[in-house]
Amino acid sequence: SQQGEEDPQALSIQEGENATMNCSYKTSINNLQWYRQNSGRGLVHLILIRSNEREKHSGRLRVTLDTSKKSSSLLITASRAADTASYFCATALTNAGKSTFGDGTTLTVKP
Amino acid sequence: DAGVIQSPRHEVTEMGQEVTLRCKPISGHNSLFWYRQTMMRGLELLIYFNNNVPIDDSGMPEDRFSAKMPNASFSTLKIQPSEPRDSAVYFCASSLGGVTSYEQYFGPGTRLTVT
Repeated sequence: SQQGEEDPQALSIQEGENATMNCSYKTSINNLQWYRQNSGRGLVHLILIRSNEREKHSGRLRVTLDTSKKSSSLLITASRAADTASYFCATALTNAGKSTFGDGTTLTVKP
Repeated sequence: DAGVIQSPRHEVTEMGQEVTLRCKPISGHNSLFWYRQTMMRGLELLIYFNNNVPIDDSGMPEDRFSAKMPNASFSTLKIQPSEPRDSAVYFCASSLGGVTSYEQYFGPGTRLTVT
């Protein structure tokens, strides 16, 4: 089964609202990454958080990591229509040269 | 840098034909990944290379699929013979990786349709 699973599967909000997506995983990780995929495009790396970090910010993005609960959240503040995309988390284990991607959350931001 | 380059961007072929997808990773990156994405199965890792050596090919669906990385700047994914169920978007990604994976840079993908 997938190491990382996003929740919810789909999210629809109005422009200006905040969007929160969650990712749960099963085993201990080295780091967790969030990616965005616009329709018809490749995935774009957004942010990486290491297992010894609890929170990270990048512009309007805020990522938290709770290793005791094996979960992470991605918060997009003051959303824009251009944020409409699918968002994926990917977990990387120590000494495993690959990351495992979840099924993604589809975010729709209505203008 | 131009990013990860994939070709062709679109491929339509008939069942039974050989298909070759190509990828040029970002210069200096030492890990390369091939993924397949479908609505039904999501994003699947097919194979990844580190320093041009295949490390994990457990995601390759069957013997019809093969991948090579003859040098640090080029990789191919071949399907022979192709079948309609191979229709998907195939992504190549590269990263500065080693024993642990970090951020990956994806190409634009090749949309494969097998009729």
